[in-house]
Amino acid sequence: AQRVTQPEKLLSVFKGAPVELKCNYSYSGSPELFWYVQYSRQRLQLLLRHISRESIKGFTADLNKGETSFHLKKPFAQEEDSAMYYCALRRGSQGNLIFGKGTKLSVKP
Amino acid sequence: DGGITQSPKYLFRKEGQNVTLSCEQNLNHDAMYWYRQDPGQGLRLIYYSQIVNDFQKGDIAEGYSVSREKKESFPLTVTSAQKNPTAFYLCASSLTSNTEAFFGQGTRLTVV
Repeated sequence: AQRVTQPEKLLSVFKGAPVELKCNYSYSGSPELFWYVQYSRQRLQLLLRHISRESIKGFTADLNKGETSFHLKKPFAQEEDSAMYYCALRRGSQGNLIFGKGTKLSVKP
Repeated sequence: DGGITQSPKYLFRKEGQNVTLSCEQNLNHDAMYWYRQDPGQGLRLIYYSQIVNDFQKGDIAEGYSVSREKKESFPLTVTSAQKNPTAFYLCASSLTSNTEAFFGQGTRLTVV
């Protein structure tokens, strides 16, 4: 079955601390994974995708096929990183996305 | 101003009534999607359309209907058959089914 699991509903860290938002997936084919972010009162937007291998706003995510994971990391969290983060998997030829349940990141001053 | 627009932002309906949520995009995107967002549930796919005049059921299509008569429009009707209609509904579009999805601001539907 195709599934995206984000085990943490809420993650709270202090400013300047490292942060890791976990994402595990279940998919039989070659996965294409994304992280979306939803800041307060803003629309859901793409943060990064694994095929780009880019760093956005200091965040990186590496696809680990052995562990079926795509964890989102940032070495030094900022207060403006506080938001809801969703991991998503593209569903094959259909193209639509399967989302995890989301993790709310709270960065305290 | 280009983008994807959902209207209205808030919608209230009485139980048993059908209600239609609007989604319009001027991005010339072929693919459009409807998701439902519930607290603690993430986003779940209701319907999607890869091209005009064609659409498919998503994971939770029961109680919903859509149409795609125009490329820029993908309205969602929440019927009285939907057992739990109160939710936040998100519309999205992408150039093709394999490119980045852009989301609307959402419509919060409350059925009383």
